[in-house]
Amino acid sequence: DVKVTQSSRYLVKRTGEKVFLECVQDMDHENMFWYRQDPGLGLRLIYFSYDVKMKEKGDIPEGYSVSREKKERFSLILESASTNQTSMYLCASSLGLAGDTDTQYFGPGTRLTVL
Amino acid sequence: QKEVEQNSGPLSVPEGAIASLNCTYSDRVSQSFFWYRQYSGKSPELIMSIYSNGDKEDGRFTAQLNKASQYVSLLIRDSQPSDSATYLCAVRAAGNKLTFGGGTRVLVKP
Repeated sequence: DVKVTQSSRYLVKRTGEKVFLECVQDMDHENMFWYRQDPGLGLRLIYFSYDVKMKEKGDIPEGYSVSREKKERFSLILESASTNQTSMYLCASSLGLAGDTDTQYFGPGTRLTVL
Repeated sequence: QKEVEQNSGPLSVPEGAIASLNCTYSDRVSQSFFWYRQYSGKSPELIMSIYSNGDKEDGRFTAQLNKASQYVSLLIRDSQPSDSATYLCAVRAAGNKLTFGGGTRVLVKP
């Protein structure tokens, strides 16, 4: 079974803090993704990575950065947290198959509250 | 216009009935289609994927794809209270990115 883990289930931070969200997958997947999920807005892609040290912006990258120093670990960084970044953050990974069949598997999520 | 559209629901079905969920997408070059189930407070879990026109069955779930009409649907037969969740439709046009619909909330009443 694919296992994607995230460092925290719940996190409370203050405005202006630097926040690190960690994601680890144990299936040697090439691709890793960070999403946020908000009521009424659905799942939105923040950043993704298709290889170590490679990253691409998703649909809403503003206010976020990422780091992928090792294949199994993908970190999401909020440089200066703001209240509008309060959300559920979901990490996903996929094998990186060419063609249609590449499938994303999700971690349990981190519910971040910024006060 | 959203790229992937779903009726938000709730879709209320009696136990044992068929739940029918629809999803439409705007990008004609979309090639891969996924249905995820998400329980309240939990992360999405994959239940079906479909890549070619027609039906694909897996247990009580059937996915139907019609690329000409740009829709994909999910049927849940013999609905159970444990099927009560939000169902997310996801579409991939090219590359590795998925675009998600807003989800349909399903309530199965005993």
